Amino acid sequence: EPEVTQTPSHQVTQMGQEVILRCVPISNHLYFYWYRQILGQKVEFLVSFYNNEISEKSEIFDDQFSVERPDGSNFTLKIRSTKLEDSAMYFCASRVLHSDPEAFFGQGTRLTVV
Amino acid sequence: AQSVTQLGSHVSVSEGALVLLRCNYSSSVPPYLFWYVQYPNQGLQLLLKYTSAATLVKGINGFEAEFKKSETSFHLTKPSAHMSDAAEYFCAVSDRAAGNKLTFGGGTRVLVKP
Repeated sequence: EPEVTQTPSHQVTQMGQEVILRCVPISNHLYFYWYRQILGQKVEFLVSFYNNEISEKSEIFDDQFSVERPDGSNFTLKIRSTKLEDSAMYFCASRVLHSDPEAFFGQGTRLTVV
Repeated sequence: AQSVTQLGSHVSVSEGALVLLRCNYSSSVPPYLFWYVQYPNQGLQLLLKYTSAATLVKGINGFEAEFKKSETSFHLTKPSAHMSDAAEYFCAVSDRAAGNKLTFGGGTRVLVKP
């Protein structure tokens, strides 16, 4: 069964460092998303991406964040200069069609900023 | 703006007893509604979805949910709890705009007692 794959599963980084979280969405999907879940809190939308551009972003997604689909298969989230409060589980999701709202989620990357 | 409220952050049920998880939403347009389950250290798995067909929706693992427009609710039920149902459950709503981003509730952690 096709699935969304995220790497790494866990990343520890020092405050101020750049991190790149990687996702391989399901191959025929057209819409891509990043969500995050701070420990003990609800899952929050960060950004959606369609047709090689950001279609929507939340207020959390400030200039420190960027997304890219560099090669037609990977979908990455970059955090330029990590802060302690960026520590969270980051989920990638993808969706196939505009008319089908079901999003498929990856297993997540746990980011720990120390 | 959409929002989701899940009543009860923790629910404890006995094995074999009814599981009832409550979800109320607000949306200015007819919504899509979802229930996701998250097992420890895992990603989000779709249990079921409502997309304006039948108001009673059946999902995986014996779960079902009923969309009640008048009550703006989408409660999740399972007639008989199993130990394997211990997990965190998230209700989510998305609009029918192009982005279809998900707005999640705070989650309900289910504990199943033998």
